[in-house]
Amino acid sequence: DAGVIQSPRHEVTEMGQEVTLRCKPISGHNSLFWYRQTMMRGLELLIYFNNNVPIDDSGMPEDRFSAKMPNASFSTLKIQPSEPRDSAVYFCASSLRDVGANVLTFGAGSRLTVL
Amino acid sequence: AQSVTQLDSHVSVSEGTPVLLRCNYSSSYSPSLFWYVQHPNKGLQLLLKYTSAATLVKGINGFEAEFKKSETSFHLTKPSAHMSDAAEYFCVVSDKRTGGFKTIFGAGTRLFVKA
Repeated sequence: DAGVIQSPRHEVTEMGQEVTLRCKPISGHNSLFWYRQTMMRGLELLIYFNNNVPIDDSGMPEDRFSAKMPNASFSTLKIQPSEPRDSAVYFCASSLRDVGANVLTFGAGSRLTVL
Repeated sequence: AQSVTQLDSHVSVSEGTPVLLRCNYSSSYSPSLFWYVQHPNKGLQLLLKYTSAATLVKGINGFEAEFKKSETSFHLTKPSAHMSDAAEYFCVVSDKRTGGFKTIFGAGTRLFVKA
């Protein structure tokens, strides 16, 4: 398996533009997580899905952020409109939920810069 | 409520000396606990995990951690630091809840290793 695949790896955009980040989880994994990493706030859990259903989106900063998982192999995180304070590295992670541990496998991240 | 506190934002050791990175957690459930490592400009990699089996957990690269329920701690140790251990380390708690696992990261501890 190629692991968790995120795209784009780098995105530079102007304030007010729409940004879409994409994630392909590991085949067979049934949970997917979106995190945001900044120097000031560290790694924040934005939202997570189980079997394509959003379970907890309490970490989503505001209505400008939305996430979808239309099927087991694809998820998007959208920011509309983007603002400079959204600049961060966004990580997607997937896991196989079972009765034991929930081990996350992370993608390489998408570095977003909003000018 | 679920939370993770990493007691040191930075730790500096000399090569060949022991490493101790401290972590305390809070959980209303029986949590799973993890340590992840992030090297500069890289993604996150699992070091080790605790899932209610043995309280002393061994991980990769000579790291280990001990789960102490009475102290709600999960400190990470290594007998002898290498230069390649310089990175940021995250303590993670994951609660099994209805619908999935909520997985929260600590603020991170940056480890510096001096020659």
